[in-house]
Amino acid sequence: GAVVSQHPSRVICKSGTSVKIECRSLDFQATTMFWYRQFPKQSLMLMATSNEGSKATYEQGVEKDKFLINHASLTLSTLTVTSAHPEDSSFYICSAREGRDYEQYFGPGTRLTVT
Amino acid sequence: GQNIDQPTEMTATEGAIVQINCTYQTSGFNGLFWYQQHAGEAPTFLSYNVLDGLEEKGRFSSFLSRSKGYSYLLLKELQMKDSASYLCAAEDSNYQLIWGAGTKLIIKP
Repeated sequence: GAVVSQHPSRVICKSGTSVKIECRSLDFQATTMFWYRQFPKQSLMLMATSNEGSKATYEQGVEKDKFLINHASLTLSTLTVTSAHPEDSSFYICSAREGRDYEQYFGPGTRLTVT
Repeated sequence: GQNIDQPTEMTATEGAIVQINCTYQTSGFNGLFWYQQHAGEAPTFLSYNVLDGLEEKGRFSSFLSRSKGYSYLLLKELQMKDSASYLCAAEDSNYQLIWGAGTKLIIKP
């Protein structure tokens, strides 16, 4: 089956610093990638949708200047949390879809802790 | 507006059967997903229903009624490893997934 990887799996950073999270599709071309955030005991919250080579579409309430998304190739998307604050601490999960394939393949997630 | 409703928590006994319901209201509808999510892990795909009816896949089955905006996930022969959250997600006409809050399923021996 299709595999999506995320790196790092866990990261601890200090308040005010920036953190980059990578999402890679390992054996398929991810024309669309999704970035989600999940707080404890809550459901997934879609942050943004990105198509390869174009700007990401952000959901309402998600600051595009704070959460920078780059989808430069068909196998890689990155999410950079800029000037991180403790309230940004969360589980960040990416997923990828190939063409009009209905299924989204999820990465294993990245646990971000901002101290 | 768009909305997905599913129970917050359910408890069942090992070896038994449990049905997790999901109702949805979306702007257009393409299909209904069920995902399983263990604590601290990403969701894993269980099923995708487009047409009305029941689709069986081993111990798990999923049902959809488009006219009623209703789906359920049926888990048979429950095992302890089935303890997880089960997320219902409806795909709207823009192929966006609208996620439910998830149902935490607790399996007791």
